[in-house]
Amino acid sequence: DTAVSQTPKYLVTQMGNDKSIKCEQNLGHDTMYWYKQDSKKFLKIMFSYNNKELIINETVPNRFSPKSPDKAHLNLHINSLELGDSAVYFCASSQLQGAGYTFGSGTRLTVV
Amino acid sequence: DQQVKQNSPSLSVQEGRISILNCDYTNSMFDYFLWYKKYPAEGPTFLISISSIKDKNEDGRFTVFLNKSAKHLSLHIVPSQPGDSAVYFCAASPLDSNYQLIWGAGTKLIIKP
Repeated sequence: DTAVSQTPKYLVTQMGNDKSIKCEQNLGHDTMYWYKQDSKKFLKIMFSYNNKELIINETVPNRFSPKSPDKAHLNLHINSLELGDSAVYFCASSQLQGAGYTFGSGTRLTVV
Repeated sequence: DQQVKQNSPSLSVQEGRISILNCDYTNSMFDYFLWYKKYPAEGPTFLISISSIKDKNEDGRFTVFLNKSAKHLSLHIVPSQPGDSAVYFCAASPLDSNYQLIWGAGTKLIIKP
């Protein structure tokens, strides 16, 4: 039973489209995150939600909108996709500050 | 501005020997440090961590050393095994960070048989 699951695993889409990536965790964690791993392999935080409340919102284009219907889910919606959005997006969750995050397996987004 | 730096993009070590992965940081407000391991097409998995009040933490074959004065930490794996071949990320958590982690770029460890 996967602890942090994100779907889809691969997503290929055309520029200008709108797409969503879903994430669910069954660990009972209060905090969930979206990370982007760019072409240089850096992991950069995009958003963090604690108990459905947005607590971190890094400098991310407002085309990216997270939605947390409950503390077990954090979805990422992207409008008007651009070529530069191509990356691997990781969802993660944690319970304590600084404690180990549990990551999903990633969604490889390719914008063509 | 990279606050957490892993200056070696890759490291090759003979099976059975010690692997030493290094990480440097610039922010003295970091109070918690973690190492993650990542296999291709998988998310990073938590490996070991250390609080800034300690200088060493050991878990089986893995030991993390923290030198606060040098703002340096290292991960030692001994003995190295083929399954240790992966990318290793160093991450740091600042005080009052709302759970945020600052990540290094990763070091690819290759264990040679």
